[in-house]
Amino acid sequence: ELKVEQNPLFLSMQEGKNYTIYCNYSTTSDRLYWYRQDPGKSLESLFVLLSNGAVKQEGRLMASLDTKARLSTLHITAAVHDLSATYFCAVEPGAQKLVFGQGTRLTINP
Amino acid sequence: DTGVSQNPRHKITKRGQNVTFRCDPISEHNRLYWYRQTLGQGPEFLTYFQNEAQLEKSRLLSDRFSAERPKGSFSTLEIQRTEQGDSAMYLCASSRQGVFTEAFFGQGTRLTVV
Repeated sequence: ELKVEQNPLFLSMQEGKNYTIYCNYSTTSDRLYWYRQDPGKSLESLFVLLSNGAVKQEGRLMASLDTKARLSTLHITAAVHDLSATYFCAVEPGAQKLVFGQGTRLTINP
Repeated sequence: DTGVSQNPRHKITKRGQNVTFRCDPISEHNRLYWYRQTLGQGPEFLTYFQNEAQLEKSRLLSDRFSAERPKGSFSTLEIQRTEQGDSAMYLCASSRQGVFTEAFFGQGTRLTVV
């Protein structure tokens, strides 16, 4: 059974700092996704990573994928309060469905 | 098109009652998915349609759950004899058919069973 593990599960950081969220998965996957979810809201797609070595950046967020290590990272640069949310990674193991991690609840303090 | 639409947004029901949720996918998307998300967890896959055919069901989808997509457009998810453990956010997503098929999620229906 495919497992997706994120760490940390909770992250409290100060504005202006950098940090990384890690996403490990247990079996081969075609694609990896990062989503953002605000409280009580649905999922907003951030990045889709399609191949080994893929790197994508949008604003203060950068995602990368290492398929050999079965690891993706979401790096936050110079955090701002607006980035406070829960971040999920999800893997699509070729079965037309997504398997999600537990989520990382990020709180950015002024 | 404004994206995936789900109704109702919130539903409170008494234990033992039946509930039905509706999902309208993005119009040109022929794939439709249902997920369930409990508090503090990531979404879990329930079932998937391609056009009107239900192609996969998770073991999470007990006999009390049934999903339909009769004309390959909107879908309904019915829960019979609801239990408190059914309380969750039910998310619908849709995607195109193809090699790269990113799924777009609706706002979800939050179910509370009292």
